[in-house]
Amino acid sequence: DTGVSQDPRHKITKRGQNVTFRCDPISEHNRLYWYRQTLGQGPEFLTYFQNEAQLEKSRLLSDRFSAERPKGSFSTLEIQRTEQGDSAMYLCASSLGVLKLSGTEAFFGQGTRLTVV
Amino acid sequence: AQSVTQLGSHVSVSEGALVLLRCNYSSSVPPYLFWYVQYPNQGLQLLLKYTTGATLVKGINGFEAEFKKSETSFHLTKPSAHMSDAAEYFCAVTLYSGGGADGLTFGKGTHLIIQP
Repeated sequence: DTGVSQDPRHKITKRGQNVTFRCDPISEHNRLYWYRQTLGQGPEFLTYFQNEAQLEKSRLLSDRFSAERPKGSFSTLEIQRTEQGDSAMYLCASSLGVLKLSGTEAFFGQGTRLTVV
Repeated sequence: AQSVTQLGSHVSVSEGALVLLRCNYSSSVPPYLFWYVQYPNQGLQLLLKYTTGATLVKGINGFEAEFKKSETSFHLTKPSAHMSDAAEYFCAVTLYSGGGADGLTFGKGTHLIIQP
């Protein structure tokens, strides 16, 4: 068990460029979550997957954002036409089972810090 | 909708003193409650959680929290602060919208400062 890994750890991009982040969850975990954390705030839920199916998207996830988990393993989060307001830490988490039904633990990666200049 | 309120964005205590970080929640259904710790430029690490059963929950690094349903609170405590406890602490509640949503709703966090 190597934990949840995210790549890259840091990304600086120019406004208007597209960026893609990757998350590798703990291997046996069927649920994968994306959160966004801005400075001085707690993480905010963006979306989550049950295996390869994307089951819920927050209203925070504008149409410039897209997430995939094609084979039910790793996931990617793409932001198109980045804006300065997209600057944040993007956190990925995974769990085995349903959080709201079992209270199982969500394991977090170290995050990808995005800076849009 | 769920919400989590953490009283005090910054808490400063002396090394060896009691740590008390406050968390109140609102939820339409009995929640599961969590405390996470975050060190600079790192992800979140689970300190402890309440699901069912005993309302006093013990976690890692000497932290504990008590679930008080009547007060809708889940305050985090540690009897004696250590310099290594300096970090950001987040209280979280399971997300429940009545639909398929799953995940956590976090408070805004409390920055714990330890004075030598």
